[in-house]
Amino acid sequence: KAGVTQTPRYLIKTRGQQVTLSCSPISGHRSVSWYQQTPGQGLQFLFEYFSETQRNKGNFPGRFSGRQFSNSRSEMNVSTLELGDSALYLCASSLLPSGGAVYEQYFGPGTRLTVT
Amino acid sequence: GENVEQHPSTLSVQEGDSAVIKCTYSDSASNYFPWYKQELGKRPQLIIDIRSNVGEKKDQRIAVTLNKTAKHFSLHITETQPEDSAVYFCAASTNNAGNMLTFGGGTRLMVKP
Repeated sequence: KAGVTQTPRYLIKTRGQQVTLSCSPISGHRSVSWYQQTPGQGLQFLFEYFSETQRNKGNFPGRFSGRQFSNSRSEMNVSTLELGDSALYLCASSLLPSGGAVYEQYFGPGTRLTVT
Repeated sequence: GENVEQHPSTLSVQEGDSAVIKCTYSDSASNYFPWYKQELGKRPQLIIDIRSNVGEKKDQRIAVTLNKTAKHFSLHITETQPEDSAVYFCAASTNNAGNMLTFGGGTRLMVKP
């Protein structure tokens, strides 16, 4: 099976702009989670989507949002970009059985966002 | 919420030696503990995981142990090789949190030939 893919791989944006990142999960995986990775804060959970619904949300401002489509592909959006939003944004997909047990997550290569 | 602490932040070993990385967690409801390896410029890669109904799990040179009472878990790498050099992250999650992982701060492992 193909792995998790993310586009674009690199982005340079200016403060105040907005950005949309895309994630395609492993075929058959229905849960997509997003994480922000920075040298200072490490890996932090942003949100998780399953069946087009946000199941969990991390401690990030409302400028960070996301959505999931019926084919399980997901997008995240960051509005009014700040310098501190520069980071590697990783998505991870997971096969979520109906019982709701935690399942293995597999990461994509990430999108490196630089805000200038 | 859950808090995961990871030690040490850097670890240097000679090729062939063993390496141990330790993590503690705060939420007693956590029941899933994966370990990820991230090489420079690459994605985090799941290398092993353990669930709370198991005390130890092995996969070739890698093993993970879990002590639920003390709320800590450890990664053990035996016969280290230069290709084991990477940053290793531990994480914790609960059924109630869906697939939300709380990560430790990472350990940079350097294996010297």
